[in-house]
Amino acid sequence: ETGVTQSPTHLIKTRGQQVTLRCSSQSGHNTVSWYQQALGQGPQFIFQYYREEENGRGNFPPRFSGLQFPNYSSELNVNALELDDSALYLCASHREWNTEAFFGQGTRLTVV
Amino acid sequence: AQSVSQHNHHVILSEAASLELGCNYSYGGTVNLFWYVQYPGQHLQLLLKYFSGDPLVKGIKGFEAEFIKSKFSFNLRKPSVQWSDTAEYFCAVPRGSYQLTFGKGTKLSVIP
Repeated sequence: ETGVTQSPTHLIKTRGQQVTLRCSSQSGHNTVSWYQQALGQGPQFIFQYYREEENGRGNFPPRFSGLQFPNYSSELNVNALELDDSALYLCASHREWNTEAFFGQGTRLTVV
Repeated sequence: AQSVSQHNHHVILSEAASLELGCNYSYGGTVNLFWYVQYPGQHLQLLLKYFSGDPLVKGIKGFEAEFIKSKFSFNLRKPSVQWSDTAEYFCAVPRGSYQLTFGKGTKLSVIP
């Protein structure tokens, strides 16, 4: 157990819809990173939030957006869902932005 | 951009066999490298990491990796695998600090 919890665990959405995924970081951690893991691939970095500000972004379009709250929990929002957005979405929390990441078990998103 | 490549997609071994999983990185500057493991149904967890110093790095559960700069490699090894080592293994390189770029992963199946 890492103390990083994600919800929901599974989700099915229709193409064109919007989705919000949630992550509670480990106690004492102020940084959250989000990754997308497509089937048969390694996780791909989406973005990182440090003290409520975006602190780095991967090669993902603007329809992928995020938030971090004062308690350091985080949301990942995806607008205008596409079939290729079907993946496991992983959240990782860090004590500081430049320290080890601890991963949650992920949210499995299926877009139909 | 920094990247890693893992050559073996699926490796099948009998218990007590020796393991070596390949990882090559592409970057000429300061290199930090990681190996992560994802056991079935569990979260990603850090096996070991290399930042500097001794190129032979020891991690958890009897795993080790050797950083060979001249070969741009960071192969993961274990002298004798157990059935409980069945998992997917990912090599990763940070694009910032802990904003990770992962390889595609190697699935290891250990037969009792």
